[in-house]
This record gives sequence, C-alpha cells and structure tokens, in this order.
Amino acid sequence: EVQLVESGGGLVQPGRSLRLSCAASGFIFDDYAMHWVRQAPGKGLEWVSGISWNSGSIGYADSVKGRFTISRDNAKNSLYLQMNSLRAEDTALYYCAKDKGTGTIPGGYGMDVWGQGTTVTVSS
Amino acid sequence: DIQMTQSPSSLSASVGDRVTITCRASQSISSYLNWYQQKPGKAPKLLIYAASSLQGGVPSRFSGGGSGTDFTLTISSLQPEDFATYYCQQSYSTPCTFGQGTKLEIK
Repeated sequence: EVQLVESGGGLVQPGRSLRLSCAASGFIFDDYAMHWVRQAPGKGLEWVSGISWNSGSIGYADSVKGRFTISRDNAKNSLYLQMNSLRAEDTALYYCAKDKGTGTIPGGYGMDVWGQGTTVTVSS
Repeated sequence: DIQMTQSPSSLSASVGDRVTITCRASQSISSYLNWYQQKPGKAPKLLIYAASSLQGGVPSRFSGGGSGTDFTLTISSLQPEDFATYYCQQSYSTPCTFGQGTKLEIK
C-alpha cells in the first residue's frame, strides 16, 4: 500500500524551530519529487516547498523562503521540513505529498498521494 | 509568482446537476493545471492532472479542460459524495500555487 506518514508537529513558541518528517512506503521513493503543502485552520491549501528526486532542484513559497528548509534521505525513504523562526501565521496542518510526475520540480502532473498531515501550532 | 483565481468561491447545486468551476492563471501555464477534491477532515485527492487527464480511480463524470490561462472542471451529474471543496493548482513553475478553492454545497 502506498503510504505517507507525517510526524513532528506540535505546539511551539514564536521564533522557535520544529522539524517535520514524512515516512514513505509502498513506492520507489527516489523516483519521485516530493512536496509539503499546508492548510491553516478554516483556510485553503498553500504549497510550501518541493524537492526533486535527487535534491538537485528545490522550491519554496515566498512566505517561507529563508526560514524553512526541505530535504530528503532516499536511503531512509524520508522527507523532512526544517522550520526556523516560526510565526503565528505558520500555524497549520502540514501535509506531505508525492508528485505524480518525473521526479523534477515542478513535476507538472500534480500530487497523487497525500499523508494525513501533522499539526503545527505557533503560539506563546 | 503565478496567481490562480477560481470562480465561483461557493456554489449550491442539486444531485444530478451539471456544474462547472473555472480557474484562471495570471500568466500562461500551458496545460500544467491540476484539480483536487477535499472533504472535511480529509487530505486532498487528485482528480485531474495536466488539465484534462483523469486520475486513476476517479469517476468519469469528472472532466477538465482548457489551456494557457483558462481552465474548467466539470462534473456532469452531481452525486451526493461530490459535495466538497475543489482546488486548482498550477505545476508550471515554483511556487506551485493553488486557487482559493470552490465550496460545492447541496441546494
């Protein structure tokens, strides 16, 4: 079964850091680009970051550029999001998603597998 | 950055109706446009990719069209399970922006 399981969310104070993880299974992880997408409470979807199959191409939303870092470990079938200098507006459910396409960023063909998300709350 | 604008933001319809949701990009994105369905408390689900290709397992009553800057998602005959929020997303360039969503409600 193709599956993505996020972890690492929680309550954190403004200005602090958090690292999210996403464990992948059921598919050849290093064949695909991967993404992080977030959804603030009651709001729409926001693409946060994406990484190509070999980490050679990476992209970020303007809202997180310079604060968040995406990475992957293909040997561990895992995707990560290091979040620094967190702000209240980063409060959201963070989804890990698999790109449908060729492994590049932007993949061009959407995100066909999603995890259930991990919640990040930034508050003092 | 490419801005994606969906219309309408909300829509009331009845079972059996044909509905169309529109998505407009702020610049040409060729056919790099995807549609997702999201139900409350659930992760999004890919419906259509590359503007008009139906994702595996998605009912054929869903269809997508368009290219360049203007795109549509059409549901030919609404079923009870189709009431949800729909998002378009461009995968032409990073950041891979989403539209603001269209909430489809039962009339």
